[in-house]
Amino acid sequence: NAGVTQTPKFQVLKTGQSMTLQCAQDMNHEYMSWYRQDPGMGLRLIHYSVGAGITDQGEVPNGYNVSRSTTEDFPLRLLSAAPSQTSVYFCASSFRVQETQYFGPGTRLLVL
Amino acid sequence: DQQVKQNSPSLSVQEGRISILNCDYTNSMFDYFLWYKKYPAEGPTFLISISSIKDKNEDGRFTVFLNKSAKHLSLHIVPSQPGDSAVYFCAASDTGTYKYIFGTGTRLKVLA
Repeated sequence: NAGVTQTPKFQVLKTGQSMTLQCAQDMNHEYMSWYRQDPGMGLRLIHYSVGAGITDQGEVPNGYNVSRSTTEDFPLRLLSAAPSQTSVYFCASSFRVQETQYFGPGTRLLVL
Repeated sequence: DQQVKQNSPSLSVQEGRISILNCDYTNSMFDYFLWYKKYPAEGPTFLISISSIKDKNEDGRFTVFLNKSAKHLSLHIVPSQPGDSAVYFCAASDTGTYKYIFGTGTRLKVLA
């Protein structure tokens, strides 16, 4: 049981490049979410999913896309990276929305 | 507009004493609240939660108090230990929206 895994751990991108941050969980959780953490801003919700095939926007969705084709995986796509997307990204999952969320170790992204 | 606020960015406490971390919220629809602890370069880990039908929940050294009329919750750690030194986030959710809103965090330092 690996819990919530995220890859890569660290990534450097140039402005305009695209990439996908991977998130997977092996706990059969229905609810998955993506957050970004910036200094002085806490954790802000980007997108979330309440089950396979269902996604919705959080507080700061602009510039990010998600999909949920399986229960296990919830990738986050940056279509055209911008320096404002430099941040630490966390994926989380739980059985249902109002239950304990388990967080992955994070992906540190630097956009130059 | 910050719906969940942690107005103290940092707190220092002597080992063995009580640590009290505070959190205020503005949305009266929030009905589930959580506290997370985060060490550097790791994902947040769940500490304790409380639903709006309760005003107190205990788990070992950790107690969360909820004052719905004041829209205020607090986390008490007794006794505080050096290993408790971390950043603590409070989070709130509204059953109807499937979203968690996090505060900006309080850095706790427990002095030996």
